[in-house]
Amino acid sequence: GNSVTQMEGPVTLSEEAFLTINCTYTATGYPSLFWYVQYPGEGLQLLLKATKADDKGSNKGFEATYRKETTSFHLEKGSVQVSDSAVYFCALSDLPDRGSTLGRLYFGRGTQLTVWP
Amino acid sequence: IAGITQAPTSQILAAGRRMTLRCTQDMRHNAMYWYRQDLGLGLRLIHYSNTAGTTGKGEVPDGYSVSRANTDDFPLTLASAVPSQTSVYFCASSEIIGGPNTGELFFGEGSRLTVL
Repeated sequence: GNSVTQMEGPVTLSEEAFLTINCTYTATGYPSLFWYVQYPGEGLQLLLKATKADDKGSNKGFEATYRKETTSFHLEKGSVQVSDSAVYFCALSDLPDRGSTLGRLYFGRGTQLTVWP
Repeated sequence: IAGITQAPTSQILAAGRRMTLRCTQDMRHNAMYWYRQDLGLGLRLIHYSNTAGTTGKGEVPDGYSVSRANTDDFPLTLASAVPSQTSVYFCASSEIIGGPNTGELFFGEGSRLTVL
C-alpha cells in the first residue's frame, strides 16, 4: 500500500541554520510527492512538489528531490528564518485507480519546526 | 479572496448532539475532502467527493456523513457526537482528479471541535 514516513519532531534550530526533514515513502507505481506547510492557526498550503524521479521541487528557499532509488523526498533549506516556524507535512499522491477518479493524498504525521532568533 | 471557507471556526459540543461543519469553495474545484487532524496522527481522510452528486469514504468515515448537492458546498455532519471526535477538521478542494495538478489541495483554516 501507500504510506509516508517522516522524521519525528519537534525540530528546533537557530536562525540561519541548515534544515533537513527526512521523508520516505512506500508506494505502488509512480506517485507524485509533495511538501505541505501549516503555519500556526492556519490550514495546510502547498510548499513544493515533484511529479517524477529526479525532479527537484523548490519554493521559498526550500528544496526536495524525488529519489526513486531510496524512495525519499527530504526537505532542505540552507538558512532557516524565524518565519519558517511551522509544521511540515510530506505527502504522496497516487494515480487514480482504474474505474475511480480519486487520486488519494497520503500524509505523513508532520514535523514541527521551531526557529529561534 | 478566492478559497475555502469553513464554519464554525470553533465549537464546543455536548456528547450526543448533532453537528454540521460547513465548507464552501469558490474555485469551482471538482473534488472536495474532509480531513481530521490529531496530534501525533497527522491528517486522516474522513470523506471525499470527486464531483457534485458523488461521495466516498476515506480512512476514518465512521460517525460522519457528507453530502455534495452542488460544486461549491461540502458539509460534514456528526449525527451523534462522541468525545473521540474532538479534533481539528479541515476541508480541502482540488482540481480535476488525475490531471497534472492531482495532489495539490487547497485547505480551509480549520474548525476546532471539542466534544464533552
